[in-house]
Amino acid sequence: GAVVSQHPSRVICKSGTSVKIECRSLDFQATTMFWYRQFPKKSLMLMATSNEGSKATYEQGVEKDKFLINHASLTLSTLTVTSAHPEDSSFYICSAVDRLQETQYFGPGTRLLVL
Amino acid sequence: LAKTTQPISMDSYEGQEVNITCSHNNIATNDYITWYQQFPSQGPRFIIQGYKTKVTNEVASLFIPADRKSSTLSLPRVSLSDTAVYYCLVGRSTSGTYKYIFGTGTRLKVLA
Repeated sequence: GAVVSQHPSRVICKSGTSVKIECRSLDFQATTMFWYRQFPKKSLMLMATSNEGSKATYEQGVEKDKFLINHASLTLSTLTVTSAHPEDSSFYICSAVDRLQETQYFGPGTRLLVL
Repeated sequence: LAKTTQPISMDSYEGQEVNITCSHNNIATNDYITWYQQFPSQGPRFIIQGYKTKVTNEVASLFIPADRKSSTLSLPRVSLSDTAVYYCLVGRSTSGTYKYIFGTGTRLKVLA
């Protein structure tokens, strides 16, 4: 089946620093990737839609200057949490759409802890 | 965009068949129905996807009635390792633009 990877799987950083999370589709090309955030025992919350070669589309309430998204190639999207604060601590999950199958495949997630 | 409604939780015993139903009353013509399984601290894992009628793979079956306003995920003979949260997702591509919304999910607990 289709594989999506995320790196790092876990990161701890100090308040005020920036953190970059990578999302890669390993065996298919993805013109569209999504970034989600998930709090404990809650459902996934869509943050933004990342389209290759164009600007990301952010959901209402998500600060685009806070969560920078770059989708520079058909297999890689990055999410940068800028000037991270403790309230940004969460589980971040990316997904990539396999257009041939019309199916969304998810990465394993990245646990971010901001101290 | 179709909103999905699922039972919050279900309990079952090992070896039983489990059916989880998802309601999506305002599903659009082009929408696909996809089910995912999620374990704690992991990303959702694809289980099965369908558009209409019945789809079966090695792990599950998906039943979709003719009006497509609901769908049922069927897990045959569950084991303890099937304890997880199951999400129904409805979405589509329109001119290359994708849109999906996650529902609350169903927390399945399999008991020995």
